[in-house]
Formats: sequence, structure tokens, C-alpha cells
Amino acid sequence: DAGVIQSPRHEVTEMGQEVTLRCKPISGHNSLFWYRQTMMRGLELLIYFNNNVPIDDSGMPEDRFSAKMPNASFSTLKIQPSEPRDSAVYFCASRRTQLGGEQYFGPGTRLTVT
Amino acid sequence: TQLLEQSPQFLSIQEGENLTVYCNSSSVFSSLQWYRQEPGEGPVLLVTVVTGGEVKKLKRLTFQFGDARKDSSLHITAAQPGDTGLYLCAGVSGSNTGKLIFGQGTTLQVKP
Repeated sequence: DAGVIQSPRHEVTEMGQEVTLRCKPISGHNSLFWYRQTMMRGLELLIYFNNNVPIDDSGMPEDRFSAKMPNASFSTLKIQPSEPRDSAVYFCASRRTQLGGEQYFGPGTRLTVT
Repeated sequence: TQLLEQSPQFLSIQEGENLTVYCNSSSVFSSLQWYRQEPGEGPVLLVTVVTGGEVKKLKRLTFQFGDARKDSSLHITAAQPGDTGLYLCAGVSGSNTGKLIFGQGTTLQVKP
């Protein structure tokens, strides 16, 4: 399997622009997670899905952030409008089961908002 | 809110030295995982400990889960430059969600 695929790997945008991050989980995995990692705050869970349904979005910073999972093989995380404080590495991870087990992380998208 | 505190945050040692990283919480977790992350990559699972008091070994790495399932440690014997990276502990929430709570991480640098 190719592992979790994320695109783009790097994104540089100006404040106020819309940013869309994409993720393809490992085939057959039922859970998908979006994380944000910064030096100050470490790895933070933003939202996760079980069987394409959002289960917990309490980590989403504010209404500027939204995530969708229209099918089992694709998810997006959108920031609109983006702000400099959104600069971070965003990881997508997937897991085979809903309640436990290993999470497989993608390579991340490094977002820089100027 | 469940929190995990890791210590130390940074560690720089010489090749061949031993080290221990700690992961502590006031909350009970159903299990705990340790991940390692290298620059430019996502975290990769090293081990999962499930039972209180459990000890698992992975070559020179020894992982222990506290008896009360609130804390864990990672001990590396005779560290090598290839061990350099960010080590993250993650507690599996006891609720029926399987949500992971990550610690802040320990950055380890092993100098040759």
C-alpha cells in the first residue's frame, strides 16, 4: 500500500486566502484524523472521522477551519480565510479500526501564511 | 481534560550513553503508544503498552507502562545517532472513541 497520501507537501499563501489540504487514507482504514503540529503547541488533534462521519471536531480552532470526508478515500481540511497564526505542519492519519490500534501518519503539509 | 506531560523536552547526549524519557498524566488511559518522528516526516508507531506494569522491549529501547496506567517511560540503552528524533507518547482515551492524546514530545539528539 502507498501509505497515507497528503497534498500539497508545501503551501505558501498570503493572509486572507483560502487554503485546502487534501488527504487520501490507507485503503480499508475506517478512521481518519487531522492534526496540526507547531513548536509551541506540539501535535494537536483537530478533527477525526469514523466511517466518513465526523466524530469529534472540538479541536478545530475556529469557524475558519472546516473538514469534510465525502467518501472513504478522500478528506479535505479547508482554512478560509487563512491567517499567519495558522502556519504549521498539518498531518493526516488513518487507522484500521475505530477504537484503537496504530495510527498511520502521512508526510504532512507544511503551511506558511504570510 | 486529559493531558500528558513529557520530560525532558530536549535531550542532547553522546553516542553510547543511556537515557530515559518520561510521560506522566493524572488521568488513566486504556493504553499508551510511543511514536518516533524524524524531520520532514510523520510520526511512526514504536510500541503500544496496554496492561499496567507491562514492559516491552524493542532492541535497545525498553518501554514501561505504570501500574496505574497513568504514566510510562522509554529507556534507551547505548544510544546511537540513528536514535535522533522526536519521541511522542500518546494515551488512548478511555472513552469509546479511541482518541489519542499526545504529549508535547521529547527531542533527542545523539552526537557521534
